[in-house]
Amino acid sequence: DSGVTQTPKHLITATGQRVTLRCSPRSGDLSVYWYQQSLDQGLQFLIQYYNGEERAKGNILERFSAQQFPDLHSELNLSSLELGDSALYFCASSLSPTATDTQYFGPGTRLTVL
Amino acid sequence: GENVEQHPSTLSVQEGDSAVIKCTYSDSASNYFPWYKQELGKRPQLIIDIRSNVGEKKDQRIAVTLNKTAKHFSLHITETQPEDSAVYFCAVSGGYQKVTFGIGTKLQVIP
Repeated sequence: DSGVTQTPKHLITATGQRVTLRCSPRSGDLSVYWYQQSLDQGLQFLIQYYNGEERAKGNILERFSAQQFPDLHSELNLSSLELGDSALYFCASSLSPTATDTQYFGPGTRLTVL
Repeated sequence: GENVEQHPSTLSVQEGDSAVIKCTYSDSASNYFPWYKQELGKRPQLIIDIRSNVGEKKDQRIAVTLNKTAKHFSLHITETQPEDSAVYFCAVSGGYQKVTFGIGTKLQVIP
């Protein structure tokens, strides 16, 4: 157990809908990263938050957005869902804002868009 | 941005043999190189990492070597066991740049 939690574990929804994924980092970690992993694909970095502020952006679609709250948990919002958004979504946390800090991954949320 | 290539994409070895996975990267400023193991449907777990001030790091049956001049690093697993079967990802980062992952290597250890 990495200490990073994610909810829900599974999510099934329809095209055009909007969903929110939640992540709580390890105790003491200030950075949260979001990744997308499609079937048989590697991990694609979406976005990073550090202590409530957006720190870095990767290949995140405009239909997707995220935020980090004062208690440091983070939410990833996915809207106007398409079939191709079906994937495993992981969050990871680390202590510092630098990408050279060890990242600890949560168990992931499996999103299925029908 | 950073470009990471990982080889091979699949690897089958007999139990007890060694497995080697190699990654190359493009940005000479990169200085952190972690390896993650991911079992089917589970989270990626850090198994070993190396920073650019060392050339080799070992942890029991796992080792990582780094050649900064050639911009490549490798994961070595010795005395492989069936429970080593998983997908292994290399990753690269440096300073404030984002982490870039390789495409993954599916390792199968045949009993």
